[in-house]
Amino acid sequence: QVTLKESGPVLVKPTETLTLTCTVSGFSLSNPRMGVSWIRQPPGKALEWLTHIFPNDEKSYSTSLRSRLTISGDTSNSQVVLTMTNMDPVDTATYYCARIPAGAPVRHFDHWARGTLVTDSS
Amino acid sequence: QSALTQPASVSGSPGQSITISCTGSTNDVGGFNYVSWYQQHPGRAPKLILYDVSNRPSGISDRFSGSKSGNTASLTISGLQAEDEADYFCGSYTRIFTLDVVFGGGTRLTVL
Repeated sequence: QVTLKESGPVLVKPTETLTLTCTVSGFSLSNPRMGVSWIRQPPGKALEWLTHIFPNDEKSYSTSLRSRLTISGDTSNSQVVLTMTNMDPVDTATYYCARIPAGAPVRHFDHWARGTLVTDSS
Repeated sequence: QSALTQPASVSGSPGQSITISCTGSTNDVGGFNYVSWYQQHPGRAPKLILYDVSNRPSGISDRFSGSKSGNTASLTISGLQAEDEADYFCGSYTRIFTLDVVFGGGTRLTVL
């Protein structure tokens, strides 16, 4: 059974760095066709793709957020980590990690974590 | 403003069929057969219901079907059921190098 689960803070102050961890099970992050993406959704708004990573360390970032995002993978611990620097109240959103099942180009996401609502704590 | 355009809301009665459109451009929907659809119930994570325009993942009812014409993709739900009431998002691969994947703004389906 494929599962993904995020962990990390739910409150972040402006200018702080957000670090979220996605722990996966039921598949291997070493599988060359399996990638993991981070996607966020502000309350009541649309989904926004942020970044993804594949086992060959191929990474891609949303251009508008590229300077603030870093994605990294830890295959041995089945984890993918997202960091977002200089957090702002507009970054309040539910952050999801999701599996990419069919390699690049990224066509769809077949399993999603439950999501972590990250809120500005100012 | 989302890259893909969806109607904000649609509604239908149980047993009826509804269609949700998703309009993009030749850089995304029109240029590739990589359109996906997600169902999201309140407070829940999105769930993949269609990929590559019209393919259903295992376990998804055949009441859900997809198609594409030009720059517009469509999701059709036949035999509406109360449990279908949810938000529906489309997504597409894009060759615009600001994003790899773009989503629509979402459509709220109300089952009357």
